[in-house]
Amino acid sequence: DAKTTQPPSMDCAEGRAANLPCNHSTISGNEYVYWYRQIHSQGPQYIIHGLKNNETNEMASLIITEDRKSSTLILPHATLRDTAVYYCIVRVGRRYGGSQGNLIFGKGTKLSVKP
Amino acid sequence: DVKVTQSSRYLVKRTGEKVFLECVQDMDHENMFWYRQDPGLGLRLIYFSYDVKMKEKGDIPEGYSVSREKKERFSLILESASTNQTSMYLCASSLYVLQETQYFGPGTRLLVL
Repeated sequence: DAKTTQPPSMDCAEGRAANLPCNHSTISGNEYVYWYRQIHSQGPQYIIHGLKNNETNEMASLIITEDRKSSTLILPHATLRDTAVYYCIVRVGRRYGGSQGNLIFGKGTKLSVKP
Repeated sequence: DVKVTQSSRYLVKRTGEKVFLECVQDMDHENMFWYRQDPGLGLRLIYFSYDVKMKEKGDIPEGYSVSREKKERFSLILESASTNQTSMYLCASSLYVLQETQYFGPGTRLLVL
């Protein structure tokens, strides 16, 4: 699986857009980009995923560069409840069970949303 | 919305006790997973199940067993709890097609004394 690089921490003002970058320069053609977050003392929460097109859902937008070597997760109007550690993961989407189902979370980006 | 629930948020047990952690999901997902999360070690997969009565070992199955009698329920059993099993335990379930889209429960923080 391709390795990802994220900044260790970021600050964002409440109500502003939070743009969280992720580098994955060794990504291969069949690997998806997934984003999760983990709020303190809670289980991880799936946010969004994409292959090459930009994606948007009710939580966030995912922008993937044309060469797919990096991506940005955008929280359009950050609130205090978005304070969490955000993880970018690159994986082949697999259909069947197996130890491949293991999600490997790196250190992520600790996003602090400030009033 | 997908909902994954775990039987307890916090649990305190004594060394040698048998411990049951229950997980229930309400979205008819095929795959269910048990992880433990420890500071500096990230999430580690203990066991997973891709169908009723089917189970596969993850990366750290020693000291644990699992049971999946019904599709919506996946139980983790610590046969004889030890202090090194003090951890946050996370259950997850996933859609059949893309198992990386995993939905996690709130976690059970287990302390073994």
